[in-house]
Amino acid sequence: SQQGEEDPQALSIQEGENATMNCSYKTSINNLQWYRQNSGRGLVHLILIRSNEREKHSGRLRVTLDTSKKSSSLLITASRAADTASYFCAMMAVAAGNKLTFGGGTRVLVKP
Amino acid sequence: DVKVTQSSRYLVKRTGEKVFLECVQDMDHENMFWYRQDPGLGLRLIYFSYDVKMKEKGDIPEGYSVSREKKERFSLILESASTNQTSMYLCASSLQGAGRDEQYFGPGTRLTVT
Repeated sequence: SQQGEEDPQALSIQEGENATMNCSYKTSINNLQWYRQNSGRGLVHLILIRSNEREKHSGRLRVTLDTSKKSSSLLITASRAADTASYFCAMMAVAAGNKLTFGGGTRVLVKP
Repeated sequence: DVKVTQSSRYLVKRTGEKVFLECVQDMDHENMFWYRQDPGLGLRLIYFSYDVKMKEKGDIPEGYSVSREKKERFSLILESASTNQTSMYLCASSLQGAGRDEQYFGPGTRLTVT
């Protein structure tokens, strides 16, 4: 069963707008990661946030983590058509070794 | 640059055939993973390996086996392919420890079993 759930399942925005997607999980984690997948391709790692971190930035990406609520969010600012993709959160649970459990993903469409 | 390659982008096999999916990474990573991805179900871990000749079952190992004879190569084997194994198969690798847990993915193999 999936440990993570993402919300919304799909998102459509205009170029230049911000896109926010959320991830909730069930068990304690060591870290939470976000990945992007362009249509029919492999996943690309975007950002990793550890359980003792609350916020992390990478370029136009901002990730927050609230371990008390067992949730994370990914914000893409000033979106571009090239940001059109599916975005997945993945949790590395405590005592899970190096295994990740993926959420179901959010499909983002950025319209030019 | 980090690279994970998979032997085929598209594969069509018949029910009952034995199918081999190959994955090679050039990063000297200890960990390698096989996932399948299905609409509405996300990525599910089939098997993973943390060292040569070592393997562990993931969440959905039934109907699959794996082989890791060399550090850089991790093979997924469908002993007798069935139509419910039609899916996108993704291979990934990662470093062991070192505080770097991100996984690097190959481009995927879309397998159709008829």
